[in-house]
Amino acid sequence: GAGVSQTPSNKVTEKGKYVELRCDPISGHTALYWYRQSLGQGPEFLIYFQGTGAADDSGLPNDRFFAVRPEGSVSTLKIQRTERGDSAVYLCASSFDSSGTGELFFGEGSRLTVL
Amino acid sequence: AQSVAQPEDQVNVAEGNPLTVKCTYSVSGNPYLFWYVQYPNRGLQFLLKYITGDNLVKGSYGFEAEFNKSQTSFHLKKPSALVSDSALYFCAVRDGNSGYSTLTFGKGTMLLVSP
Repeated sequence: GAGVSQTPSNKVTEKGKYVELRCDPISGHTALYWYRQSLGQGPEFLIYFQGTGAADDSGLPNDRFFAVRPEGSVSTLKIQRTERGDSAVYLCASSFDSSGTGELFFGEGSRLTVL
Repeated sequence: AQSVAQPEDQVNVAEGNPLTVKCTYSVSGNPYLFWYVQYPNRGLQFLLKYITGDNLVKGSYGFEAEFNKSQTSFHLKKPSALVSDSALYFCAVRDGNSGYSTLTFGKGTMLLVSP
């Protein structure tokens, strides 16, 4: 596809369960970002990949959150032992430019609800 | 640390009137500034950016923004609002001097354009 694709679009899970969220960036984009957006708030940075490596994971809230990008394209955000406070929309974005001057292209997000 | 303030939760304007959505920023180096728009149940879409050069930048859908270094502001403007401009608008900043820095978003401003 032409844009950033995120699956699933909606995920409902129970407290304590494990969740995986997938992001397929725009082809050729080496930079990939995960953000989290809670109701009434702006996107909050989680992690940034340049190629296969996590260049900045300072936004991950705790060690229950982990993300991978093994082949430098698709990325998976993994959340262990989910808590109700993890409920949010998880946004993925990609960029061709790693210098910081280029805009980010966002997917439509994965809405996670933890019951 | 870098930050963005959007002082208005909501801006109301009548169709055909000019609109302004305010944004101020704080960053230690040179600011790279961005505006994004989010329509209901959609991902964030890039509108415009300021990196360097002319303080007045023009973007998509007739929007423009003016960089004011002394006031550390980057207000979004449009000469004549349309009902279809109603959406959630986010200002974002990153530090252009840091080599790499995350893109930090404000909490957003809801723009409502009435017919």
